Amino acid sequence: AQTIHQWPVAEIKAVGSPLSLGCTIKGKSSPNLYWYWQATGGTLQQLFYSITVGQVESVVQLNLSASRPKDDQFILSTEKLLLSHSGFYLCAWGLGVYAEQFFGPGTRLTVL
Amino acid sequence: GEQVEQRPPHLSVREGDSAVITCTYTDPNSYYFFWYKQEPGASLQLLMKVFSSTEINEGQGFTVLLNKKDKRLSLNLTAAHPGDSAAYFCAVHSNTGYQNFYFGKGTSLTVIP
Repeated sequence: AQTIHQWPVAEIKAVGSPLSLGCTIKGKSSPNLYWYWQATGGTLQQLFYSITVGQVESVVQLNLSASRPKDDQFILSTEKLLLSHSGFYLCAWGLGVYAEQFFGPGTRLTVL
Repeated sequence: GEQVEQRPPHLSVREGDSAVITCTYTDPNSYYFFWYKQEPGASLQLLMKVFSSTEINEGQGFTVLLNKKDKRLSLNLTAAHPGDSAAYFCAVHSNTGYQNFYFGKGTSLTVIP
């Protein structure tokens, strides 16, 4: 069975500090991978997607970057956090262009 | 790109009553539709995937209706119970938006015992 793991579970960071969030999918080969940001209040915004190792497409510009160093790993990062980066970050995977997406447990980020 | 409007933002019903959540979308080329449930503090759980070729889909305790003419998708929870209290999100995958999933803003449902 496939599992999706995100780390850390929660993070409290200072404005201007760097950030790295991770996501690992086990049990699926070559999945499409996605990063989402959920603001307080619920709206979900797709940030990045990746179809294959080493290739990442940006959907919106939020002073964040993403990388896919391995088939089963997706990393979200920034060198300088802003207050507006606070929220719930969700990683998701799917198979195929029009397939449903399955979400990880999420990372709650608070920027102070 | 696609625009998805979800209503109502908040919904409160009594146990045993039905609850209806509706999403409208703009892209006539949208073909795949999804409903997700998010319990407080948790991640999103897929409830149902709907293809535009099927207008009525039934799950456990709920029905999803798709009206392609009006570009409207609805989730009908029949006989709601307190365990249904959660946020519900519709999502639309547009044929013309490769790899783009568009979510509604969510509906916070409270089922009162």
